[in-house]
Amino acid sequence: KQEVTQIPAALSVPEGENLVLNCSFTDSAIYNLQWFRQDPGKGLTSLLLIQSSQREQTSGRLNASLDKSSGRSTLYIAASQPGDSATYLCAVKETSGSRLTFGEGTQLTVNP
Amino acid sequence: GAGVSQSPRYKVAKRGQDVALRCDPISGHVSLFWYQQALGQGPEFLTYFQNEAQLDKSGLPSDRFFAERPEGSVSTLKIQRTQQEDSAVYLCASSLGLAREQFFGPGTRLTVL
Repeated sequence: KQEVTQIPAALSVPEGENLVLNCSFTDSAIYNLQWFRQDPGKGLTSLLLIQSSQREQTSGRLNASLDKSSGRSTLYIAASQPGDSATYLCAVKETSGSRLTFGEGTQLTVNP
Repeated sequence: GAGVSQSPRYKVAKRGQDVALRCDPISGHVSLFWYQQALGQGPEFLTYFQNEAQLDKSGLPSDRFFAERPEGSVSTLKIQRTQQEDSAVYLCASSLGLAREQFFGPGTRLTVL
């Protein structure tokens, strides 16, 4: 059974810092990996999707990398802003089956 | 264009009542997914539709949970005889295909008293 772990569970940083969120998964037979943002009381906003054949994806200040063989992904946020405060979730889509399997998320607070 | 919408946004039910939660996917998205998110946890998969066909219901926790998508667009998740452990946020997502990027709605927060 696929298991997804996110470290750290919570992170608090001052505005302007660069930071890295980590995601690991136990079964490397994945089709893709998706990073989401969730604001309190809201649904999930898709940030980046990395196909299994890709090494990284970039969108603005966000960069996500994928090392499928070691079962790891990182989300790099450059020059963090208070508006980046949210819970960040990673999820993997396996090559078999229909589900996304999620980690429990990293709760990020960026202090002004 | 419009994203995924869900209604109601909040639902309070007494234990034993039946509830129905609605999802309107993005127009043209053939794949539709339901997830359950407990407080402080990541979403857990419930079921998957391709058009009107329910192809995977392996995540439904009991036979009290039932989902349908009769015309391949709007979907309804029904929970019969609700229990306190059913209290959670129910999220709906849609995509252009099974392995494509999933887009989520705002969720329905269900509280069972």
